[in-house]
Amino acid sequence: NAGVTQTPKFQVLKTGQSMTLQCAQDMNHEYMSWYRQDPGMGLRLIHYSVGAGITDQGEVPNGYNVSRSTTEDFPLRLLSAAPSQTSVYFCATQIGDTDTQYFGPGTRLTVL
Amino acid sequence: GENVEQHPSTLSVQEGDSAVIKCTYSDSASNYFPWYKQELGKRPQLIIDIRSNVGEKKDQRIAVTLNKTAKHFSLHITETQPEDSAVYFCAASFSGTALIFGKGTTLSVSS
Repeated sequence: NAGVTQTPKFQVLKTGQSMTLQCAQDMNHEYMSWYRQDPGMGLRLIHYSVGAGITDQGEVPNGYNVSRSTTEDFPLRLLSAAPSQTSVYFCATQIGDTDTQYFGPGTRLTVL
Repeated sequence: GENVEQHPSTLSVQEGDSAVIKCTYSDSASNYFPWYKQELGKRPQLIIDIRSNVGEKKDQRIAVTLNKTAKHFSLHITETQPEDSAVYFCAASFSGTALIFGKGTTLSVSS
């Protein structure tokens, strides 16, 4: 049981490049979400999903796309990276009906 | 949508003192209020949570109180230790929906 995994751990992109941040979980949790963390801004919700085939926008969705084709995976796509997307990205899953969310280890992204 | 305000942004205490962090929320429908601790370079970790049908919850040196009428909740850490130094985040949600976080409090405990 690996819990929540995120890849890569670190990534450097140039402005305009695209990439996908991967999030996977082996706990069969229905709810998954993506947050970005910037200094002094806390954790801001980007997108979330309550189950396979269902996604919704959070507080800061612009510039990001998500899909949820399986329960296990919830990738976050940056179509055209911008320096403003430099941040630490955390994926989280929620345990059943408990509302408790557990975070993955994070991906540190730098856009030059 | 929900908005969570957290104060103070920084807090410095001496070892053994108590620390209190306060949060207010805007959506009266919110019914779940967790607190996370984040050490430098690591992921946020849940330390305690409370639901709207409970006024107070304790776990050893940590306690959380909730005032639904005033829409605020607080984290209390007693007998602080250097290892309590971290960033603490409060959050709020309505059951089954997304967590909205405060901006965090950096707690420094000096020995």
